[in-house]
Amino acid sequence: DPKIIQKPKYLVAVTGSEKILICEQYLGHNAMYWYRQSAKKPLEFMFSYSYQKLMDNQTASSRFQPQSSKKNHLDLQITALKPDDSATYFCASSPPPEINQDTQYFGPGTRLLVL
Amino acid sequence: GQQVQQSPTSLVLQEGENAELQCNFSTSLNSMQWFYQRPGGSLISVFYNPSGTKQSGRLTSTTVIKERRSSLHISSSQITDSGTYLCAIRANSGTYQRFGTGTKLQVVP
Repeated sequence: DPKIIQKPKYLVAVTGSEKILICEQYLGHNAMYWYRQSAKKPLEFMFSYSYQKLMDNQTASSRFQPQSSKKNHLDLQITALKPDDSATYFCASSPPPEINQDTQYFGPGTRLLVL
Repeated sequence: GQQVQQSPTSLVLQEGENAELQCNFSTSLNSMQWFYQRPGGSLISVFYNPSGTKQSGRLTSTTVIKERRSSLHISSSQITDSGTYLCAIRANSGTYQRFGTGTKLQVVP
């Protein structure tokens, strides 16, 4: 059974629209993350949450807003979509540092294409 | 500039050959992790190795903090080893992981 679920797997959107990427983890972790991977750049860190609180934000644009309704959920809302937002978005989680520092587990990704 | 650099960018091996992948970083680190990624696939953690040497089957990772480098050695490569290998570090002063651009490995018969 998959331990980190991302939905949808594929997503096609039109420029200017808004989409929400879903992430749920069933590993019992308290820390969750979003990363973006495009053809032009290395895997980029976007956000980190711990106990449903924002810990770090390295995304310049406010069009990207994480949402954590439950401890094991971290969704990503993207507004005013642009073609440059096309990428694969990965959700990840990690156990508390006292268990195994910094080992991250990644979801399967959502492939977003903005036309 | 890029804080995490990997080499080579790509590598083609014949089945059975060994490979040495390098990861160099420009900052002191708190953690180091190697990942494997199939084309279009997710990332699978291969090693968490902030220092020293770790081995798992045909894979060996060595991180030398003073020299700011880590290597991933693949012995007796197999076709199923093909994919991209990424290293990621978290700097002492950082709160998140930075990834290298990856080494794309292709193992052919």
